[in-house]
Amino acid sequence: DSGVTQTPKHLITATGQRVTLRCSPRSGDLSVYWYQQSLDQGLQFLIQYYNGEERAKGNILERFSAQQFPDLHSELNLSSLELGDSALYFCASSVQGSSYNEQFFGPGTRLTVL
Amino acid sequence: AQTVTQSQPEMSVQEAETVTLSCTYDTSESNYYLFWYKQPPSRQMILVIRQEAYKQQNATENRFSVNFQKAAKSFSLKISDSQLGDTAMYFCAFMANSNSGYALNFGKGTSLLVTP
Repeated sequence: DSGVTQTPKHLITATGQRVTLRCSPRSGDLSVYWYQQSLDQGLQFLIQYYNGEERAKGNILERFSAQQFPDLHSELNLSSLELGDSALYFCASSVQGSSYNEQFFGPGTRLTVL
Repeated sequence: AQTVTQSQPEMSVQEAETVTLSCTYDTSESNYYLFWYKQPPSRQMILVIRQEAYKQQNATENRFSVNFQKAAKSFSLKISDSQLGDTAMYFCAFMANSNSGYALNFGKGTSLLVTP
């Protein structure tokens, strides 16, 4: 158990819908990262937040957005869902936003778009 | 942009034997970190080993060690005395030491099967 929690574990929805994935980082971690793992694209970095502020952006679609709240939990919002958005979405956290700190991964949310 | 290449989609090794997984990367950065992550069937991502590019000495963690060749941009993982629990996907990852963020850039992975 990494100490990072993600809810829900599984999510099944239809095309065109909107969903919210939630992540609670390890106690004391200020930085949150979101990654997408799909068969087509592999493991891709989406976005990073540090203490409530966006720190880095990767291959995140405009239909996707994220935020980190004052209590440091983070949410990833996916809208106008397409079949290709079906993937395993990971959240990771680290103590600070520096490369020295290990990123601890949550168990992931499996999203299926039908 | 950095790219990470794992040229072996699948590998198999017998229990107690040694196996080496390959990884090459391409970057113009001078300061960076390299990682190997393990993803067992449970899908949990687990850090196996980390290497700082400025360190010449290869990292080791128990049965896991790396061969880091900076000039060749190569970062292979050696697993000694393989165990059934080592069966997993293994991902090589790159992280630039940049003030603009610390994202992990992953390769496509190598599926390792350890057989009795």
